[in-house]
Amino acid sequence: GESVGLHLPTLSVQEGDNSIINCAYSNSASDYFIWYKQESGKGPQFIIDIRSNMDKRQGQRVTVLLNKTVKHLSLQIAATQPGDSAVYFCAANMDTGRRALTFGSGTRLQVQP
Amino acid sequence: GAGVSQSPSNKVTEKGKDVELRCDPISGHTALYWYRQSLGQGLEFLIYFQGNSAPDKSGLPSDRFSAERTGGSVSTLTIQRTQQEDSAVYLCASSAAGTGQETQYFGPGTRLLVL
Repeated sequence: GESVGLHLPTLSVQEGDNSIINCAYSNSASDYFIWYKQESGKGPQFIIDIRSNMDKRQGQRVTVLLNKTVKHLSLQIAATQPGDSAVYFCAANMDTGRRALTFGSGTRLQVQP
Repeated sequence: GAGVSQSPSNKVTEKGKDVELRCDPISGHTALYWYRQSLGQGLEFLIYFQGNSAPDKSGLPSDRFSAERTGGSVSTLTIQRTQQEDSAVYLCASSAAGTGQETQYFGPGTRLLVL
């Protein structure tokens, strides 16, 4: 079946460095992608999204890049802070007949002081 | 305004008992989703409601799982005859129109433990 997967289960970075979290998806028909941050004991929190008619979108300290050719999505966090420590999920609308999102398994970002 | 709320926040039950989990979506959101998250895993889609349309139940893992959405607002997820493998965090989300290209906002989840 269709899938969304993250490349690394854990990513450790130094405070102040930039972080890059990668994600791959399998369905070339997917046209909406979204990144969530989940802190321990909480529900996923929206970070940024992107539609397939774009290849880059920027928010506050975050950038999402979409490469439809290789079906790859990345989240870049600039000047990573301790408060960025969390699990990050990418998600995509994998099935045009279903409105729900398909989630990857998550990457745990650990920010070292 | 208020976000998505869920209750209870934690539920411990014995194997074989039925449980009901509640979700209050963001006011005005027509679409509501239930997902399940097992420990250390991503989210697994369960069921989707959009307005007055028939729900998309394609993610429900067995006929022990059912959900209702009354009056286009509050939703209840019911698990009958709970099993230990049902232990997970059950997350509810809502979105404005359910187009499939819009942000889904999540509640804090209900942590279910089946003993």
